[in-house]
Formats: sequence, structure tokens, C-alpha cells
Amino acid sequence: NAGVTQTPKFQVLKTGQSMTLQCAQDMNHEYMSWYRQDPGMGLRLIHYSVGAGITDQGEVPNGYNVSRSTTEDFPLRLLSAAPSQTSVYFCASSWTYRADQPQHFGDGTRLSIL
Amino acid sequence: TQLLEQSPQFLSIQEGENLTVYCNSSSVFSSLQWYRQEPGEGPVLLVTVVTGGEVKKLKRLTFQFGDARKDSSLHITAAQPGDTGLYLCAGAAGGGADGLTFGKGTHLIIQP
Repeated sequence: NAGVTQTPKFQVLKTGQSMTLQCAQDMNHEYMSWYRQDPGMGLRLIHYSVGAGITDQGEVPNGYNVSRSTTEDFPLRLLSAAPSQTSVYFCASSWTYRADQPQHFGDGTRLSIL
Repeated sequence: TQLLEQSPQFLSIQEGENLTVYCNSSSVFSSLQWYRQEPGEGPVLLVTVVTGGEVKKLKRLTFQFGDARKDSSLHITAAQPGDTGLYLCAGAAGGGADGLTFGKGTHLIIQP
């Protein structure tokens, strides 16, 4: 049982480049979300999805796009990378959309924007 | 915006000592979760508390949810080096889908 799998684990980009962070879960969870973790800032919600075909914005959505074409996958796209997007990105999933459900996190993607 | 303040931010103690980590807010949360995160990994859920005044024990860890559901604490008895890590509290404002509000975390180091 792989749980939540994030790829890549590390990535370095130049300012202005675009890329997609991949997230896949094999637990048939309805709810998936993306957070970024910055020193001194804690984890902040970027985007979330309550099911296939449904996405919505979190606290810090600017500069990011998401889609949810299947239950299993929830990719995060950086449209035009900026140094302010240097961070560790975590994908999480849970059985339902309720925020009090246990969240299962991947091991993160460490992204540096030069 | 709901905020969760964790204290202390950093804590380094000797093996065998007891410690308490606090998570406070001016807002009411319907539930509160505690996670532990190790370097290079994602947070892992330790416990969820839902009812005001609730106390849950997980081996040497005791979690308490405040009566007014605005604060929580984590107490570790006889800390061990394996307890080292980043402890995060996270609150749910209600039953909505808009995610958890995380505290900034407590970095705990237990020295042998």
C-alpha cells in the first residue's frame, strides 16, 4: 500500500519556467489537497479537491493551477515559477471532504526557484 | 483568518524529562489534530480531539482539548530520543472542505 506518492522529490527551476508536481493516492480517497511549507510560516493550503472534476482555492492559490480528472491523481502546476515559490510542497488526502478527517501526507517535493 | 499559535517554537531537553507543548487560538475549532513530522517526510497524524475537555493518551503522550475548544496541549512523559521531531497542531473550523489551519510547529530535540 503506497499511500500518497509525490514526484519528483527534488526540483530546481529557473524563474519563468513551468512545471507540474505529481500526486497520486491509492486509497480511493475523495478529498485531496496541496500545502506548501515554509520556515516560520507553517503549512498553508494552496488548492483542494472534494472529488474528481471539482477543485477550489485555498489560502495561497496565486501562481498555481490544479485539476482532478481522476480520483487517484491531483497534479499541481506552476505556471511561471517565481523565487517566492521556493518551498516544500505536500500533497494530502482523506476519505471525505471533512477537514476533521485524518489527512495522509506524501513525503513532499522540495522545489527551488533560481 | 483563524490562527493557531504554538509554543514553544524550539525545545531541547534531556532524555527522561517531561515536557508540554501548547497550541492556542482566539477562535473556536470543531476539532484539532496533532501531527509529527520527521526530516524529509510528510506529517503523520498522532491524534484527533473533538470534544471540549477531551483527553487522549497515546503511550507516553497525553493530548488535551480545551473546554472552549480554542486550545490544546501535548504532554510527553519521560521523553526519549525517538520523540525528536516537529510537532504540528492543526485545527478544523467546521465540516467544510477548506482544509486545516496549521500552527507553525514545535521543534523538539531529545538528547540522550
